[in-house]
Amino acid sequence: DQQVKQNSPSLSVQEGRISILNCDYTNSMFDYFLWYKKYPAEGPTFLISISSIKDKNEDGRFTVFLNKSAKHLSLHIVPSQPGDSAVYFCAASARQGGSEKLVFGKGTKLTVNP
Amino acid sequence: EADIYQTPRYLVIGTGKKITLECSQTMGHDKMYWYQQDPGMELHLIHYSYGVNSTEKGDLSSESTVSRIRTEHFPLTLESARPSHTSQYLCASSPTSRYYNEQFFGPGTRLTVL
Repeated sequence: DQQVKQNSPSLSVQEGRISILNCDYTNSMFDYFLWYKKYPAEGPTFLISISSIKDKNEDGRFTVFLNKSAKHLSLHIVPSQPGDSAVYFCAASARQGGSEKLVFGKGTKLTVNP
Repeated sequence: EADIYQTPRYLVIGTGKKITLECSQTMGHDKMYWYQQDPGMELHLIHYSYGVNSTEKGDLSSESTVSRIRTEHFPLTLESARPSHTSQYLCASSPTSRYYNEQFFGPGTRLTVL
């Protein structure tokens, strides 16, 4: 049973517009969430994270929003650039439970068209 | 900047061969991980280590084995490769921290077993 779900396998947006990638989770013990970006033939690269004590974290063009009651988080990229085209993975961990293992979603492939 | 290395990057090998996938990091991280990922799927944790002489199996059952004799080195071995082992193998590491547990990934090894 998937604990972290990314229901959109792919997303296509125009350069300069906003990209919104969504992620849902089922385990209420998760208290730390991360987004990774992955180019083909490379390993994932950490992008941004958020603790469950916050509902928003911003880093430049990237903002992550967390809605704990809905068990939902989203990554906003504004403005989107062609170089943002990659697969984005959502990940979660339950640090309060003593586990530092990450549980990943299946990823969303973002394509930013010039 | 994360410095974590994996060799080989690509490996095509016949059934029944013994293989070792190398992973090294120069960041002095205590924690290291091995993930397996198939195209379009999530990353699955197959092994992890929280320090020298400490290894644990991950959430996905794997016929591979690992060792952690030195902090910087975390090799993965398959005694007898089979076509079902064809996948991408990603190594990661993270520091011991009470505040965050982002993991830094290597570039991965794409394994094909014929």
